[in-house]
Amino acid sequence: GESVGLHLPTLSVQEGDNSIINCAYSNSASDYFIWYKQESGKGPQFIIDIRSNMDKRQGQRVTVLLNKTVKHLSLQIAATQPGDSAVYFCAEAPSGSARQLTFGSGTQLTVLP
Amino acid sequence: DSGVTQTPKHLITATGQRVTLRCSPRSGDLSVYWYQQSLDQGLQFLIQYYNGEERAKGNILERFSAQQFPDLHSELNLSSLELGDSALYFCASSVGDRDDQPQHFGDGTRLSIL
Repeated sequence: GESVGLHLPTLSVQEGDNSIINCAYSNSASDYFIWYKQESGKGPQFIIDIRSNMDKRQGQRVTVLLNKTVKHLSLQIAATQPGDSAVYFCAEAPSGSARQLTFGSGTQLTVLP
Repeated sequence: DSGVTQTPKHLITATGQRVTLRCSPRSGDLSVYWYQQSLDQGLQFLIQYYNGEERAKGNILERFSAQQFPDLHSELNLSSLELGDSALYFCASSVGDRDDQPQHFGDGTRLSIL
């Protein structure tokens, strides 16, 4: 079946550097995308979302880029901090009446001191 | 704090038993979603309710059922439990059911089947 997948299962970055987490999706019917951060023992925490009529959206220290041509999504974290260490998931929702999310497999981000 | 409350945090039980997981959505949210997170399957959508009515079903087993009550809290019932049902079960809520609003997750119930 169609699914959302991640290119890299783990990512280590130096504190202060920028991080880029990538995600590929295969469902062309998806038109809403979300990035979540999950820390150990906690539920997924909403970071940022983007609709398919946009290519880029910025939040506080985070930017999401959407390339519908190649079905690719990325999350950029500026000036990565130790508190950013977590598993990051992208999720997609198809257009239609229900907004159930399909999650990618996740990327473990580790911030090195 | 997402505002979504799940109880209990941990549940340990045996095969063949039945359990009920509870979720209180964020104030004002009408939609409730249930997800299962296991090591081999990742986060998978189970079922969605909106204002008391079932809206969508995902990979939910027939042994599992859910409902949303008039006060909007939801319960997920898991019966005839098997070892493979051990997982984290998350509830999420959102304002509506069709709009592009993010779902906010609780901290989950960890279910362990012995």
